[in-house]
Amino acid sequence: EAGVAQSPRYKIIEKRQSVAFWCNPISGHATLYWYQQILGQGPKLLIQFQNNGVVDDSQLPKDRFSAERLKGVDSTLKIQPAKLEDSAVYLCASSLNRESSYEQYFGPGTRLTVT
Amino acid sequence: AQRVTQPEKLLSVFKGAPVELKCNYSYSGSPELFWYVQYSRQRLQLLLRHISRESIKGFTADLNKGETSFHLKKPFAQEEDSAMYYCALSGGATGRRALTFGSGTRLQVQP
Repeated sequence: EAGVAQSPRYKIIEKRQSVAFWCNPISGHATLYWYQQILGQGPKLLIQFQNNGVVDDSQLPKDRFSAERLKGVDSTLKIQPAKLEDSAVYLCASSLNRESSYEQYFGPGTRLTVT
Repeated sequence: AQRVTQPEKLLSVFKGAPVELKCNYSYSGSPELFWYVQYSRQRLQLLLRHISRESIKGFTADLNKGETSFHLKKPFAQEEDSAMYYCALSGGATGRRALTFGSGTRLQVQP
């Protein structure tokens, strides 16, 4: 089966600019996750979707970050405006459903550099 | 609040030596614990979960609730085991069960 797809793979922007990341999960996977991984740290959950509804966005900095999964398949994560501390790898993952959340399939990530 | 601690950033061993990657957790309920692995130039992937109690690629991990630990062990390390290893905990309200990851340990197996 095809894996989780993400684009772009790399992005360099200046602070105060905006950026968007795209994720296409594994076909049939109802649950989708966005993680932020800062250098030297483990992935940190930003938001979790079940189909097109938000399950958990408690760690999403909502003043600048937004995410949507309008049709319950693809998802986009946006940062506006970006700060230097947003430099990180943004990982998208999917699982069959919430009950299978332990087995998440990860995409390759988008490496964001904010200068 | 849930927390996962991996005290070692880097563990370097020689091929054939035993390996133990440490993981301690903090959680008030009954968590599920996992190990994820990321090989060079590959994606993060599930290695094993404590509930299954199985050995994957020669690795095992036992959940010790008294010591709140979930250390990953292998009796004889191989060069292909070199990778980044993350311990993760799943807890929270029913239906959420988000994963909380530790900061990771890089395992280097030298020839």
